[in-house]
Amino acid sequence: QVQLVQSGAEVKKPGASVKVSCKASGYTFTDYYMHWVRQAPGQGLEWMGWINPNSGGTDYAQKFQGRVTMTRDTSISTAYMDLSRLKSDDTAVYYCAKDLSYYGSVSCPDYWGQGTLVTVSS
Amino acid sequence: EIVMTQSPATLSVSPGERATLSCRASQSVSSNLAWYQQKPGQPPRLLIYVTSTRATGIPARFSGSGSGTEFTLTISSLQSEDFALYYCQQYNNWPWTFGQGTKVEIK
Repeated sequence: QVQLVQSGAEVKKPGASVKVSCKASGYTFTDYYMHWVRQAPGQGLEWMGWINPNSGGTDYAQKFQGRVTMTRDTSISTAYMDLSRLKSDDTAVYYCAKDLSYYGSVSCPDYWGQGTLVTVSS
Repeated sequence: EIVMTQSPATLSVSPGERATLSCRASQSVSSNLAWYQQKPGQPPRLLIYVTSTRATGIPARFSGSGSGTEFTLTISSLQSEDFALYYCQQYNNWPWTFGQGTKVEIK
């Protein structure tokens, strides 16, 4: 069965960076795009971007351009999301989510990780 | 970016009744529309994609319809486990965007 297991909660100071990992199992990691979505406390869902685990190609929402980097390590079926220059309003649960469509196209996520709470506070 | 607007914000329904949730896009998203259910402390769960296709394991009481800019999620007979937050999401134009959610609560 498909599983996405994310790294644990983080507390960071403003201006710092955070790197969240997402280990995939139960499917061929390189066959499906991986999305990153965040949710601030009590708020809705916000798309950050996606990575093609096969090629390493990425696309980021404009809001996060220059601050976010999505990478992967295919040898351990793990995706990473790195967010820099953190601000207090980056406090949120960050989710990785596997794309529904097989190889080569991007659609919507079907399976989601459990989420990683990142708290930004001085 | 495409703005997704859901209505109502809160829907009060009795168990066994029908619930109808609406989602409007600021421009056409063709049929590239998904619905998710989210419960407190859990990640979203995919219910419907390409407007009307149920995801794996989703009961038949969930159905989706619409096209272009107007979409509907219908839950034909609400069960206790269906009281939750529901989001629509377009994946036609980057960046993908979500609606603000409809909370379905027990009446």
